[in-house]
Amino acid sequence: AQKVTQAQTEISVVEKEDVTLDCVYETRDTTYYLFWYKQPPSGELVFLIRRNSFDEQNEISGRYSWNFQKSTSSFNFTITASQVVDSAVYFCALSEGYNFNKFYFGSGTKLNVKP
Amino acid sequence: SAVISQKPSRDICQRGTSLTIQCQVDSQVTMMFWYRQQPGQSLTLIATANQGSEATYESGFVIDKFPISRPNLTFSTLTVSNMSPEDSSIYLCSVPGDGGYTFGSGTRLTVV
Repeated sequence: AQKVTQAQTEISVVEKEDVTLDCVYETRDTTYYLFWYKQPPSGELVFLIRRNSFDEQNEISGRYSWNFQKSTSSFNFTITASQVVDSAVYFCALSEGYNFNKFYFGSGTKLNVKP
Repeated sequence: SAVISQKPSRDICQRGTSLTIQCQVDSQVTMMFWYRQQPGQSLTLIATANQGSEATYESGFVIDKFPISRPNLTFSTLTVSNMSPEDSSIYLCSVPGDGGYTFGSGTRLTVV
């Protein structure tokens, strides 16, 4: 079974719209970390956020916000007032335990923001 | 966070040949990781490279096909051997950072 599921393969929005990218994870560990990465067309992976399993507080960083809900095993990512520069593939990832020995990546969601 | 320099950024190779990808980190790190991203797919971990010991390979990846070197705490190489078109992918190295993993800019490999 997939440890990280990003059910949305591709999303298209018009600039200034809000968009939420879904991420559902599966783990039996009580200690784990969740991540979001952005991969623009240039190919590099840009780290956006890390969350540990003991901190369910939502986080906001500028136009980005993250909603972590252990009850539904979800870690969703919302972009407010999207911009063309937000167009990229976004990956959600899970690392179990403390050692960061292995990442499980979701299949990614391609976000197209049209002007 | 660490800064990674990955080379080459892209290459087009003939089938049957080998390509060695290099990753240089600006700080000492115990563990380095190599990932493959096939076209339109997510990232898959190939192996974990520890300095001074043999790399640990994930299921489906073998040392003969993807030999890895880790001569010191700032450098690692991944070789893609006896390439076939199915090896056409982006290959990325990664190291743990303060917030999350830092990834190299990737090597886009096309095998013809």
